[in-house]
Amino acid sequence: DQQVKQNSPSLSVQEGRISILNCDYTNSMFDYFLWYKKYPAEGPTFLISISSIKDKNEDGRFTVFLNKSAKHLSLHIVPSQPGDSAVYFCAAGGSQGNLIFGKGTKLSVKP
Amino acid sequence: GAGVSQTPSNKVTEKGKYVELRCDPISGHTALYWYRQSLGQGPEFLIYFQGTGAADDSGLPNDRFFAVRPEGSVSTLKIQRTERGDSAVYLCASSLLGLAGRRITDTQYFGPGTRLTVL
Repeated sequence: DQQVKQNSPSLSVQEGRISILNCDYTNSMFDYFLWYKKYPAEGPTFLISISSIKDKNEDGRFTVFLNKSAKHLSLHIVPSQPGDSAVYFCAAGGSQGNLIFGKGTKLSVKP
Repeated sequence: GAGVSQTPSNKVTEKGKYVELRCDPISGHTALYWYRQSLGQGPEFLIYFQGTGAADDSGLPNDRFFAVRPEGSVSTLKIQRTERGDSAVYLCASSLLGLAGRRITDTQYFGPGTRLTVL
């Protein structure tokens, strides 16, 4: 059973508009969440994280929102740029060392 | 470069053969992780080293898979009697502190992966 779910396999957005990527989780023991970005033939690159005690974390064009009661988080990218086109993975971590990843959402930002 | 490196980048082997995949973590990173990414899936945890010891190997799918990190730096993932279902991208990541640090700030940095194809 998937503990971290990204239900949209793909998303297409116009350059300059907002991209919203969603992620749901089932395990209430997770205490931090991350977003990774992956280009083809490269490993995932860390983008932004949020602790379970917060509901928002912002870094430049990237903002992650966490709704603990709904077990839902989202990544907002504003404004979206063509270079943002990649696969975005949501991941969750707890007391264990490893991360639990979702299946990813492929974002395409069109000029 | 100072990032995580993995060799080979691609490995094609025949069913039943033995393979070794190598990971060179970022210098000074005490924690090292192996993940496996199958087509259309996210990375799935295999094993985690804190220094030389395997702190958590609960993700290894069966006893055909084994990993070592004898000197606390380079790690080798070993797969015996490979099967077609083992075909995937094997990702390695490292972090500075692992269990010794605060998890959310202990970013895991990934290598480019080794694409294993078992024919």
